[in-house]
Amino acid sequence: GAGVSQSPSNKVTEKGKDVELRCDPISGHTALYWYRQSLGQGLEFLIYFQGNSAPDKSGLPSDRFSAERTGGSVSTLTIQRTQQEDSAVYLCASSYDRGNQPQHFGDGTRLSIL
Amino acid sequence: RKEVEQDPGPFNVPEGATVAFNCTYSNSASQSFFWYRQDCRKEPKLLMSVYSSGNEDGRFTAQLNRASQYISLLIRDSKLSDSATYLCVVQGSQGNLIFGKGTKLSVKP
Repeated sequence: GAGVSQSPSNKVTEKGKDVELRCDPISGHTALYWYRQSLGQGLEFLIYFQGNSAPDKSGLPSDRFSAERTGGSVSTLTIQRTQQEDSAVYLCASSYDRGNQPQHFGDGTRLSIL
Repeated sequence: RKEVEQDPGPFNVPEGATVAFNCTYSNSASQSFFWYRQDCRKEPKLLMSVYSSGNEDGRFTAQLNRASQYISLLIRDSKLSDSATYLCVVQGSQGNLIFGKGTKLSVKP
């Protein structure tokens, strides 16, 4: 596909379970970003990758969150021992590089923790 | 002080009206600025970049005032399809986007 692809579109899970969210960026885009948007809140930056490297993980909300990217392409965001406050839309964006390039967003994963 | 601040609205305007949104940002070292549009339950989409000299794209005009750390968006001849939330965005040092909470616009017939 031409755009950023995220899966699953929706995920409902019980508190305490682990979840894995996937992002497939636009082909050739080296920079990849994860954001989340909680109900009624603005978009919050979580982490970015330049290639397979994530130089700064300080935006991740807690140590239950981790992310990786392999082959300079697909990225996964993993949340361990989910809590209700993790409920949000998780959005992935990619751009040609990290500079002043437009970021293109996927449709997001709507995560609901029961 | 929040990094990017916007009036949340809502702005309710009739079709054909001109409407202006304002935004302020806190980091004077910021270099890149954008307006994104977000429809309900959809992902943000780039509306336009904002350049120091001001720029126009059809009915949309963006302005930047670096001295006041102020960004604006003007929409002329509003259409029903312009109804959305408009997000003021500043690029951070990691290339990440720093979003305002958005201004909701509702254009009525």
